[in-house]
Amino acid sequence: AQTVTQSQPEMSVQEAETVTLSCTYDTSENNYYLFWYKQPPSRQMILVIRQEAYKQQNATENRFSVNFQKAAKSFSLKISDSQLGDTAMYFCAFIRSEKLVFGKGTKLTVNP
Amino acid sequence: GAVVSQHPSWVICKSGTSVKIECRSLDFQATTMFWYRQFPKQSLMLMATSNEGSKATYEQGVEKDKFLINHASLTLSTLTVTSAHPEDSSFYICSAVDWPSGNTIYFGEGSWLTVV
Repeated sequence: AQTVTQSQPEMSVQEAETVTLSCTYDTSENNYYLFWYKQPPSRQMILVIRQEAYKQQNATENRFSVNFQKAAKSFSLKISDSQLGDTAMYFCAFIRSEKLVFGKGTKLTVNP
Repeated sequence: GAVVSQHPSWVICKSGTSVKIECRSLDFQATTMFWYRQFPKQSLMLMATSNEGSKATYEQGVEKDKFLINHASLTLSTLTVTSAHPEDSSFYICSAVDWPSGNTIYFGEGSWLTVV
């Protein structure tokens, strides 16, 4: 069964605009960690943002923020003021039973 | 900050031979490391969880005898692809978990394996 679901295989956004990438997950655990990773063409995995489930406050890192809805098991990523360098694959990930598992990814293209 | 080093970045081997990929945590002790395989335009597929001093836990469908994982120290895990075949050609990437630092996870740079 799919543990982490990213329903948007591809998205595009104009430079300087805002885009939201969606992610839902499945777990029966109460304490866990959620992540968004960026993978540019270099293939290096870059941590964008991390959310701890016991924290109600949504995590924010500069232009990146999340909308964490624990009851709905939803963890979306908002990128504000999109930049050309944000073009990459974005993966939602989740530590479940001490395993880090990934969604299928969303390919984001930022257009000039 | 913490760094995970993966080596080699690129390797070409002949069909039927074995190749070893190393994953090192450079400035923290990693009791847990993960090994992933990534096919083109796809996500990271978890192959196995490597725990220091014990046998790796493999995901369903991953051949234990083909993909040998050893985690002999707190800073090194190795993946050995045995009797490699062209279909084993892929991008392999490791990650190491720094549990004391709040489950911070660091990734290696990845290794491209081409079997000819």
